[in-house]
Amino acid sequence: AQSVTQLGSHVSVSEGALVLLRCNYSSSVPPYLFWYVQYPNQGLQLLLKYTTGATLVKGINGFEAEFKKSETSFHLTKPSAHMSDAAEYFCAVTSRDDKIIFGKGTRLHILP
Amino acid sequence: DGGITQSPKYLFRKEGQNVTLSCEQNLNHDAMYWYRQDPGQGLRLIYYSQIVNDFQKGDIAEGYSVSREKKESFPLTVTSAQKNPTAFYLCATTYEAGGFSGELFFGEGSRLTVL
Repeated sequence: AQSVTQLGSHVSVSEGALVLLRCNYSSSVPPYLFWYVQYPNQGLQLLLKYTTGATLVKGINGFEAEFKKSETSFHLTKPSAHMSDAAEYFCAVTSRDDKIIFGKGTRLHILP
Repeated sequence: DGGITQSPKYLFRKEGQNVTLSCEQNLNHDAMYWYRQDPGQGLRLIYYSQIVNDFQKGDIAEGYSVSREKKESFPLTVTSAQKNPTAFYLCATTYEAGGFSGELFFGEGSRLTVL
């Protein structure tokens, strides 16, 4: 069975500071990994995804994530936070022929 | 514009009433999904459909029903049997019915409140 753990239900960073949102997964087969973002009262939209190939994945809005198989991690980073980054972020895992499993989410707060 | 339309965006219901949430897509995607979102709980799968006239239960199907009579439409009925229906409901689609790649496209959600 697959699972996802997001460390920290709330994370606060100052504007201009590094954003780091942590995600660890469990999967017995090669995983597909995703980060989605959700703004208040809206649906989710895809930030970035890893399926195969390069382990450093770049997404929209300056975000990137690195797949580390040895650490079973897929942490999301952004070098410099912007006020518009305030949202809830979901890590998700799946594999071929399986359902997608979402983490419980991390709400990112940006401090002025 | 191509996309997924959920309606209504906000809905209030009295206890004991059934309500139906609409989800329509013009992306020509094969698979459609319904998720329930509660604060701090992430997304939980209610039902999904990979092809017209076929659907499967997800992790929390009790108290819900769906139909898939057309490729474009996947309505969700929240029945009076659902004990705690107040939540944010999200419809999603994906273009690969078979080899699922995990990339979901979401509607803007429907917020149901039971009074």
